Amino acid sequence: EAGVVQSPRYKIIEKKQPVAFWCNPISGHNTLYWYRQNLGQGPELLIRYENEEAVDDSQLPKDRFSAERLKGVDSTLKIQPAELGDSAVYLCASSSGQGDGYTFGSGTRLTVV
Amino acid sequence: AQKITQTQPGMFVQEKEAVTLDCTYDTSDPSYGLFWYKQPSSGEMIFLIYQGSYDQQNATEGRYSLNFQKARKSANLVISASQLGDSAMYFCAMREGTYSGSARQLTFGSGTQLTVLP
Repeated sequence: EAGVVQSPRYKIIEKKQPVAFWCNPISGHNTLYWYRQNLGQGPELLIRYENEEAVDDSQLPKDRFSAERLKGVDSTLKIQPAELGDSAVYLCASSSGQGDGYTFGSGTRLTVV
Repeated sequence: AQKITQTQPGMFVQEKEAVTLDCTYDTSDPSYGLFWYKQPSSGEMIFLIYQGSYDQQNATEGRYSLNFQKARKSANLVISASQLGDSAMYFCAMREGTYSGSARQLTFGSGTQLTVLP
């Protein structure tokens, strides 16, 4: 079974440019999460989806960040415009809602210069 | 208030020795789950072990065990017989509430960087 797939793996952009990250969760997992992990810190939730509905986006900086999960499967996280402080690893995870299983993708390491 | 506290930014252990990584948590929810993840320098989050708040026994998974002290709200990870490949960042995390077809998010601590010395 394929895991959570994220792309790109690395991204370097100049500040004020837009950037987008893509996540394909494990098949059948209804819940999808986007986390941001700053260097040397633990991941922090940006947004949680149940199917195509964003059920918790309280930590998403809505002035520049947006996310969507069309058809309740793949998800895209966008930043426009990017700032230097957005440099971080963006992790996607998914869960079936049962048991103890959360599966994380390998993350996208964003560097804003 | 922080929900997950890891007070050891860095730890060193000699190869083949045991090591304990500390984690305390804070929640008013009677039902919760505690998780430990390993994150090597390559960046992926590797699930190690899980403890439910109603579990009577401490969780064990191979060389990993979780020392769950509910009254103290602590969930320390014990790694026995450390190996060089155990060098990584370790995160404690908590999920509040139960699964009911909808999985709440994990809240993570700040992590402990473990270095295993040869």
